Amino acid sequence: QSVLTQPPSVSGAPGQRVTISCTGSSSNIGAGYDVHWYQQFPGTAPKLLIYGNSNRPSGVPDRFSGSKSGTSASLAITGLQAEDEADYYCQSYDTNLSWVFGGGTKLTVL
Amino acid sequence: QLQLQESGPGLVKPSETLSLTCTVSGGSISSSSYYWGWIRQPPGKGLEWIGSIYYSGSTYYNPSLKSRVTISADTSKNQFSLKLSSVTAADTAVYYCAAPSYDILSFDYWGQGTLVTVSS
Repeated sequence: QSVLTQPPSVSGAPGQRVTISCTGSSSNIGAGYDVHWYQQFPGTAPKLLIYGNSNRPSGVPDRFSGSKSGTSASLAITGLQAEDEADYYCQSYDTNLSWVFGGGTKLTVL
Repeated sequence: QLQLQESGPGLVKPSETLSLTCTVSGGSISSSSYYWGWIRQPPGKGLEWIGSIYYSGSTYYNPSLKSRVTISADTSKNQFSLKLSSVTAADTAVYYCAAPSYDILSFDYWGQGTLVTVSS
């Protein structure tokens, strides 16, 4: 059972907008720690997609955006493309557990 | 730009100790800008943080693995290592070394990962 809770799967048609939620608690997201998002394709290492709740590393399209409120965070993908089909993980820091991850969400582009 | 590369045996027998090394290039593990950590991913499952070490030598471990994990650093070789004792089949996973930034705590850099199978 992961410390951060994500939906196992989400789906959307090309061009649509999808969101992935990440729910934590008062000892991690709610304690003020930032949320970060990673994208992982099969057989490859995760790649940092969003850091510090809403910041995109260089090279990440602005179709990807992040937000945080209270004990939760969200990743939004607009203008969905077939190449966005991947697994997405949220990550934060926990007062008691140090680095923590969500269980991951599989995005399917219909 | 940091680059990380894992190395070590791909097959470990049950009850033995898993040992992996991460070689860092493009930067020094003596830098205060990053922690140096290990993350694993069992086949078909999610990511699990194992532990991290800071340049000062301070270590941080996942409580669920703490009794079996040791992370150490060799600054002369610019490497850090993972030892996981008393392994079972449940420890079969892809093991990644990664570098979380000191201030933002995101894993900015990752190695490519190495599959370790626990089997007799």
